[in-house]
Amino acid sequence: EIVMTQSPATLSVSPGERATLSCRASQSVSSNLAWYQQKPGQAPRLLIYGASTRATGIPARFSGSGSGTEFTLTISSLQSEDFAVYYCQQYNNWLLYTFGQGTKLEIK
Amino acid sequence: QVTLRESGPALVKPTQTLTLTCTFSGFSLSTSGMCVSWIRQPPGKALEWLARIDWDDDKYYSTSLKTRLTISKDTSKNQVVLTMTNMDPVDTATYYCARTPGAVAGLDYWGQGTLVTVSS
Repeated sequence: EIVMTQSPATLSVSPGERATLSCRASQSVSSNLAWYQQKPGQAPRLLIYGASTRATGIPARFSGSGSGTEFTLTISSLQSEDFAVYYCQQYNNWLLYTFGQGTKLEIK
Repeated sequence: QVTLRESGPALVKPTQTLTLTCTFSGFSLSTSGMCVSWIRQPPGKALEWLARIDWDDDKYYSTSLKTRLTISKDTSKNQVVLTMTNMDPVDTATYYCARTPGAVAGLDYWGQGTLVTVSS
């Protein structure tokens, strides 16, 4: 089973600043990685798939990069609505998806 | 417009079997590449993928839960059903269903989730 490790667990950033979230896979997942945003009481929302492709309707301030085992989600200029929990998920192993444990992005 | 909605009991007793139904619209699970997954989230914890059923009726399960899970589909009713046997209080969670439109895509549409509490 591929283990996904996200860091940091909590990230404190001021509005307008840049946020960088990391996700590491225990073995290569190529570019088969997605990022999700989850707000309290809501279902997760797909932000990025294929490691770097924004999903429909996702603002350009969200960007994804990386391949293999190291991935990054960058939010270029934080808006108030961006404070949430972010999860990465690999789907390289088509037989078995796995999620990371999440990064909570909070207001500094 | 793609929508998914989970339904099932809000409360189950330990050792009982849980049956959840995902009713969807706006797509067909007979379309090549289309898949529906079940994911759960215990209160305050991370997401955990449980199972997936594909357009061709292939089925995949979480390694740790595979002995307890069964996933099936009724294409004519646009429904996917998940059963989980031998429920335990640690299975208390919000259960989501979500769609994957192909092998290189993420889970692009999610239901709102249904909270299942396991308690005697």
